[in-house]
Amino acid sequence: GAGVSQSPRYKVAKRGQDVALRCDPISGHVSLFWYQQALGQGPEFLTYFQNEAQLDKSGLPSDRFFAERPEGSVSTLKIQRTQQEDSAVYLCASSWGLALNVRDTQYFGPGTRLTVL
Amino acid sequence: GIQVEQSPPDLILQEGANSTLRCNFSDSVNNLQWFHQNPWGQLINLFYIPSGTKQNGRLSATTVATERYSLLYISSSQTTDSGVYFCAVDLDFGNEKLTFGTGTRLTIIP
Repeated sequence: GAGVSQSPRYKVAKRGQDVALRCDPISGHVSLFWYQQALGQGPEFLTYFQNEAQLDKSGLPSDRFFAERPEGSVSTLKIQRTQQEDSAVYLCASSWGLALNVRDTQYFGPGTRLTVL
Repeated sequence: GIQVEQSPPDLILQEGANSTLRCNFSDSVNNLQWFHQNPWGQLINLFYIPSGTKQNGRLSATTVATERYSLLYISSSQTTDSGVYFCAVDLDFGNEKLTFGTGTRLTIIP
């Protein structure tokens, strides 16, 4: 079946603009994650949903970052008043979740590369 | 928080060579995954391996949870194996957020 998809693939924003990044997880996956990957670094956790509930948002770097998953499927990561330091690749991942060993395997989308000028 | 370190940071090999990549972690983990990030940035699942040994074609992985390390073996390297290899762990039964290692950049020369 289809994998995790993200849109847009590339986004250029002027400093101060708001942006919205979309993630379509694998159908039926309960858990959804957002990660931020700076150039030359490994991905870093931002936030985690189980169905529509946001269970962990400890990785969001500031209150300018907001994520939602209102119907337990598609998720949107919103960044308000973008700053240059927000430039990164934003990765979405999903899994069956429910702590059932191999069903915890996370599958990643292709990412959205955000450049803030 | 947990520390996840990978070695070597960079590896350049001739096509056909074998390699071993290492991942050390500082605490007990619930889950460990190996990923390959290709030159286009896509993270590709290789193994879900919190313990034991698994093999998939030319790749195999072993995790020794009691000693807090995992190894990824690549045999008969091909140019398509180039990219960055990450191990990632989660600590919490019920919160699967992954902490990624520092990565190993592998370059296979034809």
